[in-house]
Amino acid sequence: NAGVTQTPKFQVLKTGQSMTLQCAQDMNHEYMSWYRQDPGMGLRLIHYSVGAGITDQGEVPNGYNVSRSTTEDFPLRLLSAAPSQTSVYFCASSYAVDRAPLSGANVLTFGAGSRLTVL
Amino acid sequence: AQKITQTQPGMFVQEKEAVTLDCTYDTSDPSYGLFWYKQPSSGEMIFLIYQGSYDQQNATEGRYSLNFQKARKSANLVISASQLGDSAMYFCAMRDIGYSSASKIIFGSGTRLSIRP
Repeated sequence: NAGVTQTPKFQVLKTGQSMTLQCAQDMNHEYMSWYRQDPGMGLRLIHYSVGAGITDQGEVPNGYNVSRSTTEDFPLRLLSAAPSQTSVYFCASSYAVDRAPLSGANVLTFGAGSRLTVL
Repeated sequence: AQKITQTQPGMFVQEKEAVTLDCTYDTSDPSYGLFWYKQPSSGEMIFLIYQGSYDQQNATEGRYSLNFQKARKSANLVISASQLGDSAMYFCAMRDIGYSSASKIIFGSGTRLSIRP
């Protein structure tokens, strides 16, 4: 059972380049999300999704696009990278809240992280 | 709107002592879940403990316990008998549950815990 798989683990981009961070999970989780982690800022939510075809913005969505065409995959796209997007990115998934509303079953499972540097 | 606050950027604790990491939250939803995660220097996120807003008792998992004070909107993590391997970043997180199944999870800014031998 692979859990949440993120690729690539490391990436260096030049300002203005585009790229896609891939995220896949094999746990049949309805909920998937992307976070960025910066020193002193904790994890900030970029975008999230509660199922195929449904996405929504988090706390810091500007500069990022997402789509959810399947339950398993939730790619994060940077259309025109900026140095401010240098960060560590985490993908995370869980069961939908209404599957287990007040249970630890809605705990997030994280990918290993992707370190992105924009020059 | 949801908000999570961790006011301790860093803490130093002597090995074998107990430590409390502070977390306060704000939400208008009566149903919510609170989580703590550990992030060691290797970078992975490790789930530690969960508390539901309607849980009558404080959650415990081995050496971890969650001191849940609903009226004060605090959810402090207590680590008993700290070990060198407890040195890591610790994040508090919250998920509103009641109003929508699309409930997002937000995190605090974290506390870096360092255990002294």
